[in-house]
Amino acid sequence: ILNVEQSPQSLHVQEGDSTNFTCSFPSSNFYALHWYRWETAKSPEALFVMTLNGDEKKKGRISATLNTKEGYSYLYIKGSQPEDSATYLCAFPANQAGTALIFGKGTTLSVSS
Amino acid sequence: EAGVAQSPRYKIIEKRQSVAFWCNPISGHATLYWYQQILGQGPKLLIQFQNNGVVDDSQLPKDRFSAERLKGVDSTLKIQPAKLEDSAVYLCASSPSSGTRDGYTFGSGTRLTVV
Repeated sequence: ILNVEQSPQSLHVQEGDSTNFTCSFPSSNFYALHWYRWETAKSPEALFVMTLNGDEKKKGRISATLNTKEGYSYLYIKGSQPEDSATYLCAFPANQAGTALIFGKGTTLSVSS
Repeated sequence: EAGVAQSPRYKIIEKRQSVAFWCNPISGHATLYWYQQILGQGPKLLIQFQNNGVVDDSQLPKDRFSAERLKGVDSTLKIQPAKLEDSAVYLCASSPSSGTRDGYTFGSGTRLTVV
């Protein structure tokens, strides 16, 4: 059974701190890696879709890197703000033939002001 | 662009009762997904539709769960009869195609509590 692991499970930081999370996935037969942010009482929101080894994507203070050879992706948040408090999910497709994403359990970030 | 619409937002039912959830995806999105997210776990795929055909329902408990996507647009997910372990958030998502490089657009989910 293909699996995606995320760590840490939860994280609490102070406003202004920078932080990062890890997503580990099977490195064989890689197709794409997705990151989503899920705020309480809202819809999960797509952050990044990453496809190339060594890729780095950025959206405001959030960035992500990808290492397909070793099977991990990092999500970084620079200068965390209370509005960054959310659960961050990573996911990957089991195969390229149009199958749905397999999600990790997520990292829940809480940012205190 | 309108988002993915889901209803209801919340539902509380007794075990052995029936419940139905509704989803209206982004206009033009061919692929629709239903996920179940149990507290403390990641979202788990229940069923994937491509237009009005089922692509993957391997994890759908077919003895009690059913889903349809009439005319390749709206979709309903039904549970009959519900069990306590069905308490979860049910998320609907859509994407332009079934390709792996398309991000999903999610609805706000239905939080089901079975008592």
